[in-house]
Amino acid sequence: DAGVTQSPTHLIKTRGQHVTLRCSPISGHKSVSWYQQVLGQGPQFIFQYYEKEERGRGNFPDRFSARQFPNYSSELNVNALLLGDSALYLCASSLVTTYEQYFGPGTRLTVT
Amino acid sequence: AQSVTQLDSQVPVFEEAPVELRCNYSSSVSVYLFWYVQYPNQGLQLLLKYLSGSTLVKGINGFEAEFNKSQTSFHLRKPSVHISDTAEYFCAVSDPISNFGNEKLTFGTGTRLTIIP
Repeated sequence: DAGVTQSPTHLIKTRGQHVTLRCSPISGHKSVSWYQQVLGQGPQFIFQYYEKEERGRGNFPDRFSARQFPNYSSELNVNALLLGDSALYLCASSLVTTYEQYFGPGTRLTVT
Repeated sequence: AQSVTQLDSQVPVFEEAPVELRCNYSSSVSVYLFWYVQYPNQGLQLLLKYLSGSTLVKGINGFEAEFNKSQTSFHLRKPSVHISDTAEYFCAVSDPISNFGNEKLTFGTGTRLTIIP
């Protein structure tokens, strides 16, 4: 079975621009979570969606938003990019009942 | 609020020697505990998890961890490391009492394990 997939792998944006990151969960997984991992730090929780509803939100500004589609794939949107948004963005999916989150390879975002 | 402290940012170990990576957590409620491994330029892979039951948890690649409630610790151990164990290791905690479907993980800052040949 395919694992969690994320696109794009890398991208470079300029301050003030908007970015959309995409995630496809493992087949059958209805929960998708997003994390931001700044270089040298542990991942920080951004959002979790389960059955297309937001179930959790981390301490991130309103510039960050997300949604989950009927096929359980998800998008993370970031507006008005700042240099500090440069990070590896990780998506994880799960069955929820097992408390095992499976992570994708991440999208490396560089803001210049 | 939950928090996780990984006491060592870097741990160098000779090949075939034992290793222990330390993790302490802070939480006002019962917790679920996890160890994840991250190889260079990759996502995170679950090594093991503690939800309930036996305090000694065995995971993949020969790793194990022991949950100690009185010391609020969840240290990761391996009796003999291999070059392929070189990676970043993250301890994480989640709150099982929150609403169903809420799986927020709080991670530590990570421990870089370097195996010396």
